Amino acid sequence: DADVTQTPRNRITKTGKRIMLECSQTKGHDRMYWYRQDPGLGLRLIYYSFDVKDINKGEISDGYSVSRQAQAKFSLSLESAIPNQTALYFCAPTGGRQYFGPGTRLTVL
Amino acid sequence: SQQGEEDPQALSIQEGENATMNCSYKTSINNLQWYRQNSGRGLVHLILIRSNEREKHSGRLRVTLDTSKKSSSLLITASRAADTASYFCATSGGSNYKLTFGKGTLLTVNP
Repeated sequence: DADVTQTPRNRITKTGKRIMLECSQTKGHDRMYWYRQDPGLGLRLIYYSFDVKDINKGEISDGYSVSRQAQAKFSLSLESAIPNQTALYFCAPTGGRQYFGPGTRLTVL
Repeated sequence: SQQGEEDPQALSIQEGENATMNCSYKTSINNLQWYRQNSGRGLVHLILIRSNEREKHSGRLRVTLDTSKKSSSLLITASRAADTASYFCATSGGSNYKLTFGKGTLLTVNP
């Protein structure tokens, strides 16, 4: 969806490094979600936020943290990246249906 | 854990044929959504069907929902090579709009 921006689009990093994935949206939706996608596993929910003061863990939040800086911005951080966090990461604002960003392909060596 | 399970995992057909993908889920839902993903790209929303609906159409897409069997199907009629993609079902069961995705069906349409 053109109204959802994710940066970076691709990132290669090393084990132990801290990395932040950013998401911004122009849709004005309060609810925002972070998913990761692994081959053969579909999408799994990492964290979600209903507004800037509300953060909730998803099914696989360990090793991740988030920050909701504003209604339009929701960042995902890996405090100390590990190889099994290599995946495709999607941000998805929602107003009923979810609008997916283009994704960030992260590789942890 | 995944809520939805798509079947089959992979489907290969010829252009012009119809493609049917199924999704089963485990718990009660508010709605079920189908998404399409081209290789390595973002997901594109196709259609949403609410728990009180039984069938919905959008262009060449037809979705059915059977809440008694906890299952849904996506039919793509007169398929085209450009329909080649992975298709995911996702269920939403609460007021938090969380979606739980299945593992997807990889559809290949051969020209």
